[in-house]
Formats: sequence, structure tokens, C-alpha cells
Amino acid sequence: KNEVEQSPQNLTAQEGEFITINCSYSVGISALHWLQQHPGGGIVSLFMLSSGKKKHGRLIATINIQEKHSSLHITASHPRDSAVYICASLWGGSNYKLTFGKGTLLTVNP
Amino acid sequence: GAVVSQHPSRVICKSGTSVKIECRSLDFQATTMFWYRQFPKKSLMLMATSNEGSKATYEQGVEKDKFLINHASLTLSTLTVTSAHPEDSSFYICSAAGPGGYEQYFGPGTRLTVT
Repeated sequence: KNEVEQSPQNLTAQEGEFITINCSYSVGISALHWLQQHPGGGIVSLFMLSSGKKKHGRLIATINIQEKHSSLHITASHPRDSAVYICASLWGGSNYKLTFGKGTLLTVNP
Repeated sequence: GAVVSQHPSRVICKSGTSVKIECRSLDFQATTMFWYRQFPKKSLMLMATSNEGSKATYEQGVEKDKFLINHASLTLSTLTVTSAHPEDSSFYICSAAGPGGYEQYFGPGTRLTVT
């Protein structure tokens, strides 16, 4: 059974701070998603990565396959970054499935 | 990324009635669609996987007669909550993907409240 753990569960930061959210998973996976969920619920996919590092604007995601660990970084955080960030591991063969972490609630204060 | 819509975004219904939620992939052909459920402050949980033209595969513990899933076309899947009860109140999210479900695109979700 694939389990996904995120830390921290809650994170409060001041605008401009560098943010790191961590994710670890228990079994080998095909890829890892980072998702953003705003109040109201809609989910946006931020990254899907299977190795190395991806960058999009102020967001950076990294993954270490050997250590079964991924991080999401936000540089120069802004109040609009306040949301729940969820990592999800993609696993399976011919039919892939996602296992989700419980999410990290990020609050960025002005 | 691809665009997935859900309708309605919110629905309130009375106990005992049925509610249908639509999930549409707007700009690609989704051979596989997933339905998830999210309780407050909890992770998303996969309810079922549907492949176009086939019967849905339900996860353990999900009642297939209560949560009817239809995936009749490559752009539309529906989830019908039959004889809804207050405990069915939840946030339901669909995602759409190509064959096998490697890359999933999420819908905005539907908040169901059963009174």
C-alpha cells in the first residue's frame, strides 16, 4: 500500500518568505503530483514530475526517487499563495492511481 | 493543461432524492475518468475509475448501486448519487485522463449538501 506523508500540516509565513513543503511516499512510484486547492475547493495541478526538478514562476518542485521524497518551494511568497498544497503519488501499471497526502495549509500574511 | 469542467458546482438536495453530477473534458478525449470524494480536512479518496464505454471499477467500500457512474463518451462522465442521505454530503471531484490515467486533469469539484 502506498502511503503519502506531508509536512508540515500547517504553515504560516510572512509575505516574501521562502516556503518549503515536504512530501514522502512509501513505495516506488511512476510520478508525483503537486496540487493546489483554494478555499472553495477547486484543484489545480501545479506539477507532475518523475525525476529532478521543475520550475514554474515562483514555484519549484524537486523529487529524489532514491529517498522517496519530494519538496515544493515557493519563492517570494505572497498572500495569494495561501491555499492547501497536496502531493499525490502516481502508481500502478496499466491503470494508474493517485494516492493523496493530507495536504499542507499555507497562510501567507501581508 | 487540459480543461475539465463539473456541473453543478454546488447542489443542495433533500434526503432520499438523487443527484447527478457531470464531468466534462473540454479540449481532449478522456478515455479514463476518475471520481474522488473529499471530506472536510481530509485527503481526496478515489471512489471509482471509469473507462469510456466500460463499466466503472469501484474502490473497496464504495457502493456501486449508490454511486452510479456512466462514461458514455470521451468527453462526459456522470456520477449519480442515488437516494442521497446526509452522510453523502461531501465534495466530489472528477479528473480526466488519457489511456491508463497517467496524467490527470482535475475538475473544479461539486459540493453536495443533503438536508
